[in-house]
Amino acid sequence: QKEVEQNSGPLSVPEGAIASLNCTYSDRGSQSFFWYRQYSGKSPELIMSIYSNGDKEDGRFTAQLNKASQYVSLLIRDSQPSDSATYLCAVPNFGNEKLTFGTGTRLTIIP
Amino acid sequence: GAGVSQSPRYKVAKRGQDVALRCDPISGHVSLFWYQQALGQGPEFLTYFQNEAQLDKSGLPSDRFFAERPEGSVSTLKIQRTQQEDSAVYLCASSLQPTGVGVNTEAFFGQGTRLTVV
Repeated sequence: QKEVEQNSGPLSVPEGAIASLNCTYSDRGSQSFFWYRQYSGKSPELIMSIYSNGDKEDGRFTAQLNKASQYVSLLIRDSQPSDSATYLCAVPNFGNEKLTFGTGTRLTIIP
Repeated sequence: GAGVSQSPRYKVAKRGQDVALRCDPISGHVSLFWYQQALGQGPEFLTYFQNEAQLDKSGLPSDRFFAERPEGSVSTLKIQRTQQEDSAVYLCASSLQPTGVGVNTEAFFGQGTRLTVV
């Protein structure tokens, strides 16, 4: 089992709808969770970080964390065509600092 | 500089050739990471530096891969005797402090070097 798992997609969502991206992780000791956005041919860009159970909102983005179930999700409200990208879930290994990424979910917003 | 800078952006190497990939992190950033990203995959960790010390090289796929950061700033990833399976995008990232809860942990990525081995 991979340490961080995501549905690879592609996920297609109509413009204006809510896009829901999910991620599960295997290390129960994980404390930090990150969502990166990667446009085609570009580098990953951090868009959300979450450390505590519950929801964290930042503009149109909401990250949700459930440590008991070992999943973290990202909701994008009022989806825009510019949100079309691959979204990577990443979990740092506390102590040795590396980020373990999922394979990414490719999201397409349909105008 | 304003961000993490990597060079070259693209590199085509003949199989068996040695290559060197350069990373200029954001000034003052303590931590530097190298990742390898194959097409359609997430980045895979290669190695990690804290200043000039290479604290983790567990992700380097073989002894053909070598990384250094001699003065705690610029880093070079060297691949000897390149093979076709080395074709990927090599990403460098830096962060102000080591990752961890409650610390300024954002890792900023460079644009990457796309290596194609023919």
